[in-house]
Amino acid sequence: DIQMTQSPSSLSAFVGDRVTITCRASQSISGYLNWYQQKPGKVPKALIFSASTLQTGVPSRFSGGGSGTEFTLTISSLQPEDFATYYCQQSYTFPLTFGPGTRVDI
Amino acid sequence: QVQLLQSGAELRNPGASVKVSCKASGYSFTDSYIHWVRQAPGQGLEWMGWINPNNGGRNYAQKFQGRVTVTRDTSISTAYIELTSLSFDDTAVYYCAKSPKTAYNFDHWGLGTLVTVSS
Repeated sequence: DIQMTQSPSSLSAFVGDRVTITCRASQSISGYLNWYQQKPGKVPKALIFSASTLQTGVPSRFSGGGSGTEFTLTISSLQPEDFATYYCQQSYTFPLTFGPGTRVDI
Repeated sequence: QVQLLQSGAELRNPGASVKVSCKASGYSFTDSYIHWVRQAPGQGLEWMGWINPNNGGRNYAQKFQGRVTVTRDTSISTAYIELTSLSFDDTAVYYCAKSPKTAYNFDHWGLGTLVTVSS
């Protein structure tokens, strides 16, 4: 199975800050990396697929990058509604696997 | 709009089975895949398996092999997951999610079904 790791596991930032979360895969997954946002008690929401493509309706302050084994999710200017846990997920091969999540506190 | 409507919360004893449903609307049921992802209390997301509603093809995570069955009824655009031999560790919210046929990213999610295993 492909293991996904994320760093940091949590972070605190101010509104307006630029925030970057890193996701690493235990082997190359090309560009098959997706990002989700989950707010407390809510359903996960798709943010980015194929490493860098924003899902419809996702604000442009979110961006994704990377390929192979290292990927990033960047929030260019953190907003109060961005308080959430962010998960990466590889869709390169079965079993599909998620990272452990990064909690972002405002 | 796309909706995945899941069945209600379930309470089971250890050793029992549970079956959760996921009714799709707002898109063609056979044009996307349905996946099942679970989340134990305070924990992360765990993929369990998927089904191709068009032909019934399916794949399960090794961890659940022999205990999980994913099925579908195309006449009512509904997918199901059944988990047997439940243990306390199976207490979780079970989500269905759809992915495009061209990729395995989850673009829409159901609201989740809480399954509690308790004696």
